[in-house]
Amino acid sequence: AQSVTQLGSHVSVSEGALVLLRCNYSSSVPPYLFWYVQYPNQGLQLLLKYTSAATLVKGINGFEAEFKKSETSFHLTKPSAHMSDAAEYFCAVSESGGFKTIFGAGTRLFVKA
Amino acid sequence: EADIYQTPRYLVIGTGKKITLECSQTMGHDKMYWYQQDPGMELHLIHYSYGVNSTEKGDLSSESTVSRIRTEHFPLTLESARPSHTSQYLCASSNPSGGGTDTQYFGPGTRLTVL
Repeated sequence: AQSVTQLGSHVSVSEGALVLLRCNYSSSVPPYLFWYVQYPNQGLQLLLKYTSAATLVKGINGFEAEFKKSETSFHLTKPSAHMSDAAEYFCAVSESGGFKTIFGAGTRLFVKA
Repeated sequence: EADIYQTPRYLVIGTGKKITLECSQTMGHDKMYWYQQDPGMELHLIHYSYGVNSTEKGDLSSESTVSRIRTEHFPLTLESARPSHTSQYLCASSNPSGGGTDTQYFGPGTRLTVL
């Protein structure tokens, strides 16, 4: 069965600092992995996804994530945080041929001026 | 920007009332979903649909029902609301892009409070 664990329900960084949001997954078959972002009072929107091509995936707004099979991880990073990055971030996994996407509990990112 | 809409955005009702949460998308997507979102918890899939006249229950047991009579419309109904139904409900849609790789487009959600 698939599952996703996001380490840290809250992460706080200073503006300009590195953003690192952690995600570990469990899947019995090669996974597809996603990061979604949710701004206040809005629905989720896709940041990036891994679909078995390049292991380093670049997304919108300067975010990227690296698929590491040996560590079953798909951590999200951004070199320099901006105030507008403050939001909740969800990691998700689905399986090849599958219908359902399993979402993590989310990590709320705070950016301090 | 996703063209998926949910109404109402906020709803406060009393116990025992029947309610319908509306969800519409203008992207022509075949797949649609309903999730329940509570603070600090995973999004839980409560219903999904492959297309018109197709509906399935998700992983989380729910007393709600859904219908899919038109491609663009996927309403969720609670026959008798209870305080335990208080939550945020998110609707999403996607087009098949190769099993499991679909990008889902989400509506802004309906925050339901049952007193």
